[in-house]
Amino acid sequence: QKEVEQDPGPLSVPEGAIVSLNCTYSNSAFQYFMWYRQYSRKGPELLMYTYSSGNKEDGRFTAQVDKSSKYISLFIRDSQPSDSATYLCAMTPYGGSQGNLIFGKGTKLSVKP
Amino acid sequence: KAGVTQTPRYLIKTRGQQVTLSCSPISGHRSVSWYQQTPGQGLQFLFEYFSETQRNKGNFPGRFSGRQFSNSRSEMNVSTLELGDSALYLCASSFRGPSYEQYFGPGTRLTVT
Repeated sequence: QKEVEQDPGPLSVPEGAIVSLNCTYSNSAFQYFMWYRQYSRKGPELLMYTYSSGNKEDGRFTAQVDKSSKYISLFIRDSQPSDSATYLCAMTPYGGSQGNLIFGKGTKLSVKP
Repeated sequence: KAGVTQTPRYLIKTRGQQVTLSCSPISGHRSVSWYQQTPGQGLQFLFEYFSETQRNKGNFPGRFSGRQFSNSRSEMNVSTLELGDSALYLCASSFRGPSYEQYFGPGTRLTVT
C-alpha cells in the first residue's frame, strides 16, 4: 500500500461547479498537510497548508483534514477555467525545519467554460 | 522578488553520461530541496540542503548527489545516466525547510536516450 493515494482523474467539471479533490494516507504520524497546484510545464505552487485535523478556508478554496479516517480533501467553489491544473496533496510527519514531503501522484482537473 | 530559477530548462543526454543541474533559490532562502517527477512515480524527494549541509535524503541510489554553495545556490548531479532517469527535476526553496512554505522552480526536463 502506498503511503499516499490520490485518484489521478482526469476530472472534468463545468465552470461554476464545486470540485472535491481527495487523498488518503496510511501513516498515522502525518501531521502537516498541503495542497499544491501545478499548471502544465510549471513547477507546483502551494495552495493550502494545514496542521492536524480541521478545516481551513482561503477564498474559494477549503482544505479539510480528517486524521481519524486518514483522509484529506480540497474543495474549490465556483470553479473557473483558470483552475484547470493538476492538484497534488503532500504531507509530512515533521514540523520544525526538517522533514521531506510525501506527495500524492496528483489529480488532473479540467474546468470547462 | 525573483522566483526560483533552474538551468538548463531542457537537456538531452545519452545513457552512461553524467549531468549537472543548477538551482538558484529565492533571495534569503537557505533551504533547497530537489525532487524527481515522473508520470509513473509522481513527485519524489531526492534531498534537501540547508546552509551547505545535506539534512535529509530520499530513497535514491548514490548516482544522485548534490551540493549547496555559500550563496545557497544548489547543484545536483546524476552520474552514469540510465533511461529511467528521464524525468522533470524540480528544485524548491524555503526559508526554513520543506515542511514550511516552499517555492518551486519550473524544473529541468531531462531526457536520457
